[in-house]
Amino acid sequence: KAGVTQTPRYLIKTRGQQVTLSCSPISGHRSVSWYQQTPGQGLQFLFEYFSETQRNKGNFPGRFSGRQFSNSRSEMNVSTLELGDSALYLCASSNNGRTEAFFGQGTRLTVV
Amino acid sequence: GQQVMQIPQYQHVQEGEDFTTYCNSSTTLSNIQWYKQRPGGHPVFLIQLVKSGEVKKQKRLTFQFGEAKKNSSLHITATQTTDVGTYFCADGRTGGGADGLTFGKGTHLIIQP
Repeated sequence: KAGVTQTPRYLIKTRGQQVTLSCSPISGHRSVSWYQQTPGQGLQFLFEYFSETQRNKGNFPGRFSGRQFSNSRSEMNVSTLELGDSALYLCASSNNGRTEAFFGQGTRLTVV
Repeated sequence: GQQVMQIPQYQHVQEGEDFTTYCNSSTTLSNIQWYKQRPGGHPVFLIQLVKSGEVKKQKRLTFQFGEAKKNSSLHITATQTTDVGTYFCADGRTGGGADGLTFGKGTHLIIQP
């Protein structure tokens, strides 16, 4: 089985721009979660999607949004980028969101 | 929201020495998961503990879940250079619309040969 695939791997954006990140989960997994990882805050939960519905949401501003498609692929969008949004964004898939999470390699976003 | 505290933040050991990281929660956990992240890599699932007092072993790694299900530990016996990385505990999701995984800040294991 192929693992979780995230694209792109690296991204440089300017303050004020918006960005879309993509995640393809393991085949058969219907739950996709997104996390932000920074040296200061560690791994923080952004949101979880299950069968195209956002099931849970972390404590992030509305500039962070996401969606899931019928094939379970997911995208997350960050609008009006700020310098503090620079981070590694990790996507994880699981069977039902209640068991072990399989992480992708992440997208390293740098905002300048 | 629920918080999971993890200590120590950094641990330097000589190769061959043992290593332990601890995870504590102020509230009862339904289950706890452990992940390892190598430098430059992504978190990789190690194990999930569910039962009070549970102990599980994976070769040189021993995982424990406290009797009150408020704490957990990961112990590595005779560390090797391949053990280098950051070890995270995570509050497993309780189901029924609970939050996503809540991670501890992690323990960075540095091994000196």
